[in-house]
Amino acid sequence: AAGVIQSPRHLIKEKRETATLKCYPIPRHDTVYWYQQGPGQDPQFLISFYEKMQSDKGSIPDRFSAQQFSDYHSELNMSSLELGDSALYFCASRPPLGSAEFNEQFFGPGTRLTVL
Amino acid sequence: AQSVTQPDIHITVSEGASLELRCNYSYGATPYLFWYVQSPGQGLQLLLKYFSGDTLVQGIKGFEAEFKRSQSSFNLRKPSVHWSDAAEYFCAVARTMEYGNKLVFGAGTILRVKS
Repeated sequence: AAGVIQSPRHLIKEKRETATLKCYPIPRHDTVYWYQQGPGQDPQFLISFYEKMQSDKGSIPDRFSAQQFSDYHSELNMSSLELGDSALYFCASRPPLGSAEFNEQFFGPGTRLTVL
Repeated sequence: AQSVTQPDIHITVSEGASLELRCNYSYGATPYLFWYVQSPGQGLQLLLKYFSGDTLVQGIKGFEAEFKRSQSSFNLRKPSVHWSDAAEYFCAVARTMEYGNKLVFGAGTILRVKS
């Protein structure tokens, strides 16, 4: 079965650089979530999108922005990177209303970002 | 705001022994409850979930969890642990299932299995 795809899987950047993380949800899923998991930490919600509109916002820094495109994939753009941004970034998708699995978020493998 | 507490940061059990991982949540109503497992460097895999109905839910890999409203708990159990169960386990809650509603995770419990 198709799963959530995240690219790249690993990314190394220098401080003050920018990074773009991509998430491709499971086909026909219309909601996308982004989470950040720091070393030894639990995942923290950043932002979510439903039908290309932002639906909820968590502790996402102003240096980060995200969007969902017409094909439902999402991109997380991170600027002026700091050492503290080093983390595993997860994307999750959710099927549409009426699906048997509507209440479940399906997680991708994550993108490990290292800021040097 | 809802919160999730996993009181045990690390747990070590012998292979073949039973396991119980604790999870308590704080929320006025019954939230949607989940248990995820994460192997090192890997993504999150859903073990089981509770929304309503029977308070004992069965999941994958032989795991089960029991929702106890009076204790605001959703503890994860397995009768006989296998070495491959060594991983980190996260309890998570969602306030509602509205579009875009986020999951709030506990701090996680690292399970070590000794032979």
